[in-house]
Amino acid sequence: SQTIHQWPATLVQPVGSPLSLECTVEGTSNPNLYWYRQAAGRGLQLLFYSVGIGQISSEVPQNLSASRPQDRQFILSSKKLLLSDSGFYLCAWSVWRGRPDNEKLFFGSGTQLSVL
Amino acid sequence: GIQVEQSPPDLILQEGANSTLRCNFSDSVNNLQWFHQNPWGQLINLFYIPSGTKQNGRLSATTVATERYSLLYISSSQTTDSGVYFCAVAQAGTALIFGKGTTLSVSS
Repeated sequence: SQTIHQWPATLVQPVGSPLSLECTVEGTSNPNLYWYRQAAGRGLQLLFYSVGIGQISSEVPQNLSASRPQDRQFILSSKKLLLSDSGFYLCAWSVWRGRPDNEKLFFGSGTQLSVL
Repeated sequence: GIQVEQSPPDLILQEGANSTLRCNFSDSVNNLQWFHQNPWGQLINLFYIPSGTKQNGRLSATTVATERYSLLYISSSQTTDSGVYFCAVAQAGTALIFGKGTTLSVSS
């Protein structure tokens, strides 16, 4: 069966420090991968998605970037964190169909990021 | 872009009660899903339902695509049903867009 791993579970970082969050998927090949952010008490905002290695689509211009160095690995990064980057970051995957609007979406357990 | 509105924003129930959550969307979609986020933040996929009706135990969902809404029914609610319920939709070639959710609190 497929599983998705996301770490760390919680992270406290000072303003201006770098960020690297990692997500890996097991049990499937060529998944679509996604990064979402959830601000406190609000809905989920799509940040990035990827339909293949090295293919990244950005939905919201911001202080963050994403990379997909391997088929089942998705990384969210920042060179310098801002206070507004605080939130709950969720990685997700879906079956590959060559485009993102397909079938079920499955989420990792999330990373709570606090920028102080 | 497409807009997703969920109602009610908050819902408080006694254990055993039934409830209906609604999701309206502003344009045609080819993907609609319902999720439950538990108090620990984990998001669970409940239904993939771009049209029609599905049931899973005490939960069922109906999407009327032509009228641009979906309903999630929870029967005989339990305290473990508490959390936030999200509706998410997508059009062709786009990723899922989430509504702001309905926060459900079930007390014993």
